Amino acid sequence: NAGVMQNPRHLVRRRGQEARLRCSPMKGHSHVYWYRQLPEEGLKFMVYLQKENIIDESGMPKERFSAEFPKEGPSILRIQQVVRGDSAAYFCASSATGASLEQYFGPGTRLTVT
Amino acid sequence: AQTVTQSQPEMSVQEAETVTLSCTYDTSESDYYLFWYKQPPSRQMILVIRQEAYKQQNATENRFSVNFQKAAKSFSLKISDSQLGDAAMYFCAHQGTTSGTYKYIFGTGTRLKVLA
Repeated sequence: NAGVMQNPRHLVRRRGQEARLRCSPMKGHSHVYWYRQLPEEGLKFMVYLQKENIIDESGMPKERFSAEFPKEGPSILRIQQVVRGDSAAYFCASSATGASLEQYFGPGTRLTVT
Repeated sequence: AQTVTQSQPEMSVQEAETVTLSCTYDTSESDYYLFWYKQPPSRQMILVIRQEAYKQQNATENRFSVNFQKAAKSFSLKISDSQLGDAAMYFCAHQGTTSGTYKYIFGTGTRLKVLA
């Protein structure tokens, strides 16, 4: 059973470009979470999505960041007009239900903004 | 709002010895779970152990055990017979189950070094 998949694993963008990060949850999982880990810090919650719905986006910056989880295909975290401060590791996690004991984490996407 | 505090940025332990990592939390949720995750240099988040807040019995997983003090809002991790492979960042996390979002709130982590 494949785990949570994220791609790309490493992404380099110049300031002002767009970054698109993809997350394929575990089979049968319909709940997706995105977390950001800045260098030398813990993971911070960004957004919680179910298929076609954003449930909680309280951790998302108000501008430039958006997320979606369409009926078909992976969840996408999009960062427009990236700045150096966006450089971080972005983790996706999935669960079968919202109240599941455990979220299963992907390997992360490391975004570097030059 | 929920907060998780790990007051030890770094800890060291001799191989085969025992070490305890500290974690305290604050929560307004009436029911919740607590977790310890390990993050090795690969950055993969690996679940070490979890505790359901309504269970008084401390969780154990082989060499890993917790000391859960609900009234004190404390959740420490004890690693027995430490091995070189235990060296990693360790994160404590809280997950509330009554607000409907189920997001994890992580602490800032403790870097564990294991000395041969």
